[in-house]
Amino acid sequence: QVQLQESGPGQVKPSETLTLTCTVSGGPVSRGGRYWTWIRQRPGKGLEWIGCIHHSGTTFYSQSLKSRVYMSMDASENQFSLTLTSVTAADTAVYYCARDAIAAAGEFDFWGQGTLVTVPS
Amino acid sequence: QSVLTQPASVSGSPGQSITISCTGSNSDIGSYSHVSWYRQYPGEAPKLMIFEVSNRPSGISNRFSGSKSGNTASLTISGLQAEDEANYYCNSFTVSDTRVVFGGGTKVAVL
Repeated sequence: QVQLQESGPGQVKPSETLTLTCTVSGGPVSRGGRYWTWIRQRPGKGLEWIGCIHHSGTTFYSQSLKSRVYMSMDASENQFSLTLTSVTAADTAVYYCARDAIAAAGEFDFWGQGTLVTVPS
Repeated sequence: QSVLTQPASVSGSPGQSITISCTGSNSDIGSYSHVSWYRQYPGEAPKLMIFEVSNRPSGISNRFSGSKSGNTASLTISGLQAEDEANYYCNSFTVSDTRVVFGGGTKVAVL
């Protein structure tokens, strides 16, 4: 059974950089065609796809966040990370990491529990 | 403003069937079979309920079914139970640079 666990700071100051890490257990991130994904949910709002990464290094990012987002992977640690620069209060959200079962097509079969990141206004 | 449009809320009595719609465009739902549905309880992570329009992951009750017609996908919950009360989200692969888009979510209430 694949399990994902997000880790990172609970609070980031405006204009600073947010970095979150997702640690995967139960299977290697470097196997197969699966993409490893970040999704966020602002308080009381819906889900927003941020982007995803494949172990080959291929990444896809949301058009709306593309200029501020970077994703990386450390296969030796079975982890992948999200970096979001120049954060504002609008980036306050629960951030989830998830596994996309089929080639970055949006079929998220395993999720982390989520981590709340607050950016004070 | 979500790319995919879902009703804000749907309700039904125990035992009834309800259907949640998810309307997109020719850039997403209308052109691809990568439509998924998720159930989310408050304070929890979403859970995959349907993938590829109408397929259920292992362990998901056959009370949940999915379909698609044109630019609209639908999730039907039959034999509504109290435990079905939750938020439901659809998503789809899209041809745009943003590869995956979500609906705004539908709150299901069991009366």
